[in-house]
Amino acid sequence: SQKIEQNSEALNIQEGKTATLTCNYTNYSPAYLQWYRQDPGRGPVFLLLIRENEKEKRKERLKVTFDTTLKQSLFHITASQPADSATYLCALSASGGSYIPTFGRGTSLIVHP
Amino acid sequence: NAGVTQTPKFRVLKTGQSMTLLCAQDMNHEYMYWYRQDPGMGLRLIHYSVGEGTTAKGEVPDGYNVSRLKKQNFLLGLESAAPSQTSVYFCASNQGETQYFGPGTRLLVL
Repeated sequence: SQKIEQNSEALNIQEGKTATLTCNYTNYSPAYLQWYRQDPGRGPVFLLLIRENEKEKRKERLKVTFDTTLKQSLFHITASQPADSATYLCALSASGGSYIPTFGRGTSLIVHP
Repeated sequence: NAGVTQTPKFRVLKTGQSMTLLCAQDMNHEYMYWYRQDPGMGLRLIHYSVGEGTTAKGEVPDGYNVSRLKKQNFLLGLESAAPSQTSVYFCASNQGETQYFGPGTRLLVL
């Protein structure tokens, strides 16, 4: 069966360090993968999208990599700030179908000042 | 431009009661979705719509019905609420790849 896995344990880091979050998947032929941010009591907000033929995408302090051989995406936040504390969700859209994304359960990031 | 809005924000129901959650979007998006989010379970797709007058089942459709009579509105109905339907419900819409989410409706079924 298709699975998307994100680390269920919260990631605690110090301000200024780089946070790296992982999204692994199985039994998918991906078209693209997205990362969303969700703050408590709010809906998810889109951050970045990377396609299956792309290796890396950047946006300001954010970087996403996509390795379809390893079936893994890494999401990096450089020079992290307490305001980056949130839950980060990855969402995978499979090729050959409706492209409706399937979401991972999310990883909580806590940046300590 | 309000984006995606949801009504109500919070509701308490007794088992067996019915209710309708309303989602509205002003971005002229074709696709609309209803998700539920439970602790440790992530976002799970209930139903979705690819255009006015169309609906389709998602991953967890049982106990819910939907209607898309107007392009901008997507309604989620619970005919006979059960405690297992206690959750946070999110509506989303998209035209391209990116989904835009509403603020959520917190539903408690006693």
